[in-house]
Amino acid sequence: NAGVTQTPKFQVLKTGQSMTLQCAQDMNHEYMSWYRQDPGMGLRLIHYSVGAGITDQGEVPNGYNVSRSTTEDFPLRLLSAAPSQTSVYFCASSYSTLASGYEQYFGPGTRLTVT
Amino acid sequence: KNEVEQSPQNLTAQEGEFITINCSYSVGISALHWLQQHPGGGIVSLFMLSSGKKKHGRLIATINIQEKHSSLHITASHPRDSAVYICAVLPPRNQFYFGTGTSLTVIP
Repeated sequence: NAGVTQTPKFQVLKTGQSMTLQCAQDMNHEYMSWYRQDPGMGLRLIHYSVGAGITDQGEVPNGYNVSRSTTEDFPLRLLSAAPSQTSVYFCASSYSTLASGYEQYFGPGTRLTVT
Repeated sequence: KNEVEQSPQNLTAQEGEFITINCSYSVGISALHWLQQHPGGGIVSLFMLSSGKKKHGRLIATINIQEKHSSLHITASHPRDSAVYICAVLPPRNQFYFGTGTSLTVIP
């Protein structure tokens, strides 16, 4: 198994550009999520999904869209990039909902800089 | 206000020392996770606790639900333990609250 994969590893965008961060998992996990990690702050949840076709907002959803058309893929779209979105983004997955007590598996992260 | 507080923020230890990292939280939870973030950035899950104590090798995690407190202990620390250790609490819904992490450096 490749686990959780993310592409790209690094990205530089100009303000106003849009892009999609890709996340895929090959473990048949139902739960997938996107976090951002900023210096001095803990990981913060952007969006999550409890299964194909089902998504919900996390703590910091503004400026981001997600969709879950398949169990494997959970892309994160930045609609119009802003410098405040400069961060490291992590995708994670879990066999079932977090409350079910399953371990979360994290992708390697995408370092995004918006100038 | 952060729902999860970790201490210390930074910790330097000599190889072989016993290490304790603390996590206090202010919300009701169904579980608490300890994560390890390597210097390269990758994050792995170490423990999930809902009560009591768990042990994996040289790592021990404890939780006191009444006091809303958890500790992560590392016995006989080694330079390869150098990482950021993150406490994450799970209220009874699908969203973690994360601490800001404890950066551990173990010196040979």
